[in-house]
This record gives sequence, structure tokens and C-alpha cells, in this order.
Amino acid sequence: SQQGEEDPQALSIQEGENATMNCSYKTSINNLQWYRQNSGRGLVHLILIRSNEREKHSGRLRVTLDTSKKSSSLLITASRAADTASYFCAPHGGSNYKLTFGKGTLLTVNP
Amino acid sequence: DAMVIQNPRYQVTQFGKPVTLSCSQTLNHNVMYWYQQKSSQAPKLLFHYYDKDFNNEADTPDNFQSRRPNTSFCFLDIRSPGLGDAAMYLCATSRDKAKETQYFGPGTRLLVL
Repeated sequence: SQQGEEDPQALSIQEGENATMNCSYKTSINNLQWYRQNSGRGLVHLILIRSNEREKHSGRLRVTLDTSKKSSSLLITASRAADTASYFCAPHGGSNYKLTFGKGTLLTVNP
Repeated sequence: DAMVIQNPRYQVTQFGKPVTLSCSQTLNHNVMYWYQQKSSQAPKLLFHYYDKDFNNEADTPDNFQSRRPNTSFCFLDIRSPGLGDAAMYLCATSRDKAKETQYFGPGTRLLVL
């Protein structure tokens, strides 16, 4: 199965700033998904970007995908304290049904 | 609202005492998953059901079993919990295998005394 590796492991910013998290993976993919996990809660799907897409937006979220570099980034603009959470990427490739999560990026947004 | 529900949110059990965690879904999804997540670690897939077809991950301990009596419900049975089994257990669903978004429940935090 395919596992994403998120970078950085931890990120601390001030409210209103932008936050960028990166994800790298090793083999070809069908799509790549980003999830958020608030402390002590389940994961929430944020956005799915397909391998033939380069950029996707959802509200304050912008995801890019560079299949030649096998990397993706998640940008959160105008961050809020409520954005404090762990963010996971999950590359999905081939016929494998599984989503294999990395350790995530812990984002802290300070008020 | 359609959702994935896990009960209880917190479960305390004793070392070696069998425990069952529950998951239900109103999404009518074909696939249900169980993940284990220890503190500050990635969620780790234990097994999944595609309809009634059970699929165990190779490294899932024999101590963990699962049942899916119908489309809506799935149970995680831990036959003899050890201290190392204390974790958050996450249930998720997806409409079908592959390429699909997974929808997670809020999790059950298991404490083993």
C-alpha cells in the first residue's frame, strides 16, 4: 500500500496567517486525499484531488498536486484557531483499496 | 443527517477481559473499516468488510476480531485486551472500495486497567 509522508511534523502560526503542509509519496496514484483530525476525534475528509488535476480549491483550502515530483501541498489561508488539528494526506494508488495514513502534520493556530 | 456512530465514546476494561466496540452507519455504504490509533501516531488499518466479505490485515493480532451482522452495524471484539491495546479505535465507511472518500466516526477511546 501507499503511504504519504507529511512535512513538517508540527507547525505553529498566528491566527490570520497562511499554513502550508506538504505530502510526499513513492508510487503512482489515482488520487490523493487530505483529512483533518481534531484532538481526540475521528478524521474528517477535506478534499480529494485526482491524478489528472493540478490544483483544487475548497473554501479556504487549496491543494496542489505534482505527480512528476510525487508531492502534494495543502494551503490553509487566513487560518483560525479552530483550524488547530492534525492533517493527514492519503495517496491512493492502483487497485489497492486501502488508505494508509502517515503521522500527519500537527497544526497549531494561536489566537 | 447521515453519519457514522461509535459507542461508547470511552470504554474502560480490565486486562484480559473481553470487550466489544460498536459502530453503526446510516450512509448505506458497502465498506466498513476499523482502525487503531495510538497517541501521536497514524491510524492503522486493522480490517475491513466489503459487504459481508471480511478482510484482515496481515499484521492485525489474532486478539482482534470483527463482526458485521448487517449493512449498518460492525463490531470490534478484543478477546483478551492487553495494556498495549489501549488506543483510539476508529470506524470508517466508504461507498465502495478504491478511489473513495472514507467517512469516520468520532472514535472510541479504550483504556485497559
